[in-house]
Amino acid sequence: SQQGEEDPQALSIQEGENATMNCSYKTSINNLQWYRQNSGRGLVHLILIRSNEREKHSGRLRVTLDTSKKSSSLLITASRAADTASYFCATVQAGTALIFGKGTTLSVSS
Amino acid sequence: DAMVIQNPRYQVTQFGKPVTLSCSQTLNHNVMYWYQQKSSQAPKLLFHYYDKDFNNEADTPDNFQSRRPNTSFCFLDIRSPGLGDAAMYLCATSRGTGGLYEQYFGPGTRLTVT
Repeated sequence: SQQGEEDPQALSIQEGENATMNCSYKTSINNLQWYRQNSGRGLVHLILIRSNEREKHSGRLRVTLDTSKKSSSLLITASRAADTASYFCATVQAGTALIFGKGTTLSVSS
Repeated sequence: DAMVIQNPRYQVTQFGKPVTLSCSQTLNHNVMYWYQQKSSQAPKLLFHYYDKDFNNEADTPDNFQSRRPNTSFCFLDIRSPGLGDAAMYLCATSRGTGGLYEQYFGPGTRLTVT
């Protein structure tokens, strides 16, 4: 079963535009993580936001967390072709291991 | 510099023929995970080890087994691969569990079943 659900499933934008992806989850969490996966490769950790944080930045990435709505968003500003990838949110469900959402596939064209 | 290494990167096996995928890490992390990822889907956790403590996900088929002989190595054994087991298999590590730590992923092994 999956804890997180990303929205939209696919997103196509032009270089320089901003990309926003959303993640909703079902149960209470201690923190939420975002990962990126380039085609046919392993996942790369982007950012971890704790449940007592509302917003976190890392370079061109901005993550928000709204625990009352059980949702998080990932904003990539000034997107580049190299940002083309799938993006997953992940949370801990029952137990201790991360469970990944279905992901958003981002395509950035130049 | 490679931190999580998976071998082989591509594996072809025959229907019903046992296959073993390997993962090694240079991070000295306590936790090692195995995920199965099918095309355009999320990684699905199969099981994980916290040190030598094995944790199996409830819906992982018995056909999938794992071994962790030491901190650095972890193996995924598929006893009788079916066509539905064709997927990317991802190994990951972390210092701890509970979602408090980031996971480091290997490049994956793409398994084809003929």
